[in-house]
Amino acid sequence: GNSVTQMEGPVTLSEEAFLTINCTYTATGYPSLFWYVQYPGEGLQLLLKATKADDKGSNKGFEATYRKETTSFHLEKGSVQVSDSAVYFCALRVVTGGGNKLTFGTGTQLKVEL
Amino acid sequence: DTGVSQDPRHKITKRGQNVTFRCDPISEHNRLYWYRQTLGQGPEFLTYFQNEAQLEKSRLLSDRFSAERPKGSFSTLEIQRTEQGDSAMYLCASSSRLEGDEQFFGPGTRLTVL
Repeated sequence: GNSVTQMEGPVTLSEEAFLTINCTYTATGYPSLFWYVQYPGEGLQLLLKATKADDKGSNKGFEATYRKETTSFHLEKGSVQVSDSAVYFCALRVVTGGGNKLTFGTGTQLKVEL
Repeated sequence: DTGVSQDPRHKITKRGQNVTFRCDPISEHNRLYWYRQTLGQGPEFLTYFQNEAQLEKSRLLSDRFSAERPKGSFSTLEIQRTEQGDSAMYLCASSSRLEGDEQFFGPGTRLTVL
């Protein structure tokens, strides 16, 4: 089956620190990969995506590269801000005849302090 | 467009009672999804509609759960004879194939079963 494994949190960083959140996956097909973010009190928002191997998704200073050889999609940001504090979810989607359901990891909470 | 909306935002009920949640997707989105998220976990897929047809159901969706999308617009999720294990956040998402099937999530309905 399909599954996503991401590093456990919480991850606590100082402002302007470098961020890496690891994500690896297993999939029966050829997945598209996503990072979603959930800010306190808000719904899930798509942060970035990549649909094929070696694609790099980027948004708001965050980046992730689809690595098929290592089945990974690690999230990185060069300089985090307090406003980046949130829960980050890695997810995959394999298109099947029935639909396009997402399979999520357990989430990684990020806390950024001044 | 105001995005995906869900009602109610919070529901507290006693064990054994029935509850119903509503989801209004983004207009023109023909695909609608329900997910369940428990504390400290990522969302788990429950079911998927394309227009009014329910095309996929997870094994998580026991006989006590039923979902409908009668006119291909809003959807309802009913839980009969609620159990404490049903306590969770119930998320709805919608997508359009014409927009790359990106899933837009609502704010969720938090269910607490006492």
